[in-house]
Amino acid sequence: NAGVTQTPKFQVLKTGQSMTLQCAQDMNHEYMSWYRQDPGMGLRLIHYSVGAGITDQGEVPNGYNVSRSTTEDFPLRLLSAAPSQTSVYFCASSYGGEGVGETQYFGPGTRLLVL
Amino acid sequence: GNSVTQMEGPVTLSEEAFLTINCTYTATGYPSLFWYVQYPGEGLQLLLKATKADDKGSNKGFEATYRKETTSFHLEKGSVQVSDSAVYFCALSDRNGGFKTIFGAGTRLFVKA
Repeated sequence: NAGVTQTPKFQVLKTGQSMTLQCAQDMNHEYMSWYRQDPGMGLRLIHYSVGAGITDQGEVPNGYNVSRSTTEDFPLRLLSAAPSQTSVYFCASSYGGEGVGETQYFGPGTRLLVL
Repeated sequence: GNSVTQMEGPVTLSEEAFLTINCTYTATGYPSLFWYVQYPGEGLQLLLKATKADDKGSNKGFEATYRKETTSFHLEKGSVQVSDSAVYFCALSDRNGGFKTIFGAGTRLFVKA
């Protein structure tokens, strides 16, 4: 199993540009999430999905869109990039059957720089 | 709302020293508690977890005990190695929080040979 994969690994954008961060998992997990990691702030939840066709907002959703058309894929779209979106983005998935004891599996991250 | 507070880093230790990283939490329900580790250039991976009070999670020589009375889940290791250098995140997941995972800010550990 490849686990959770993310592309690209690194991206530089200019302010106002749009792009899509890709995330895929091959573990047949129902739950998928997007986080951003900023120094001193831990991980903050952007959007999450509890199954194909179902998405919801997390703690910091503004400026981002998601969709979940398949169990495997959960892309994150930046609509109009801003310097405040410079961060490291992590996708994670979990089985969805254990409830509060759920372990999350993380991708390797995408480092985004917005100029 | 739910929150996790962990000690600020960085923590610098010599090899074979004893490690403690403090973590306390606030939750409205009965959360599960986790420690995740992030090695340089990688994503987070689960180190250990505990799902109810007085449970002890352990893995790779690391341990943490779920203490409901002090709302704590401190990470300990008796003898650290250079390869333990990483960032450690305390986290919780609570049914009242919709099963979403809340992370602490992370504590960076440096271990010197």
